[in-house]
Amino acid sequence: DAMVIQNPRYQVTQFGKPVTLSCSQTLNHNVMYWYQQKSSQAPKLLFHYYDKDFNNEADTPDNFQSRRPNTSFCFLDIRSPGLGDAAMYLCATSPIFRRTYEQYFGPGTRLTVT
Amino acid sequence: DAKTTQPNSMESNEEEPVHLPCNHSTISGTDYIHWYRQLPSQGPEYVIHGLTSNVNNRMASLAIAEDRKSSTLILHRATLRDAAVYYCILRDGGSNYKLTFGKGTLLTVNP
Repeated sequence: DAMVIQNPRYQVTQFGKPVTLSCSQTLNHNVMYWYQQKSSQAPKLLFHYYDKDFNNEADTPDNFQSRRPNTSFCFLDIRSPGLGDAAMYLCATSPIFRRTYEQYFGPGTRLTVT
Repeated sequence: DAKTTQPNSMESNEEEPVHLPCNHSTISGTDYIHWYRQLPSQGPEYVIHGLTSNVNNRMASLAIAEDRKSSTLILHRATLRDAAVYYCILRDGGSNYKLTFGKGTLLTVNP
């Protein structure tokens, strides 16, 4: 089945130690998004790629970076994780050509910062 | 993005219909109404969307008020698997494909 895959599902990192979260898709969608979801809160968009074009949300901290080496893969890099960065990180994709702009989400990676 | 207002929580009984309301009094003419749901420990999943007319799909129905200032997501027969947070989101259809999630409604389904 075509899908959005996130690895790992659970990630533990130390305060200040860089960490990379991965997302891959078999849907061949143009757009890939990264969201942060803290406990009992709604998902919050960090940034997205439209093909190779990177679009950062205005309030996304500089500590968060992203890479999209090809259509299928997208990475979220947290350069120096703080305790406040512990959250679920969700990857999503969208088929812009369909114009319904449905987003397809992966299962998320739960990040713990110790 | 225009704002939506949803009840924090609702309860339903299994096999009964559920009507989840959403107010969006500041909706503009190009705003689409999207509904997503998030089951426990999973990513959100698309449910349905509409612009002006009522919409049906295999998961749910979307009833949109004539003035578009409110809408209702209808689950025709709730199951335990429908217990989730339901998000009502307005998306600017002009050129914006991003979604801004609000707080949503936590739906509890009783057996």
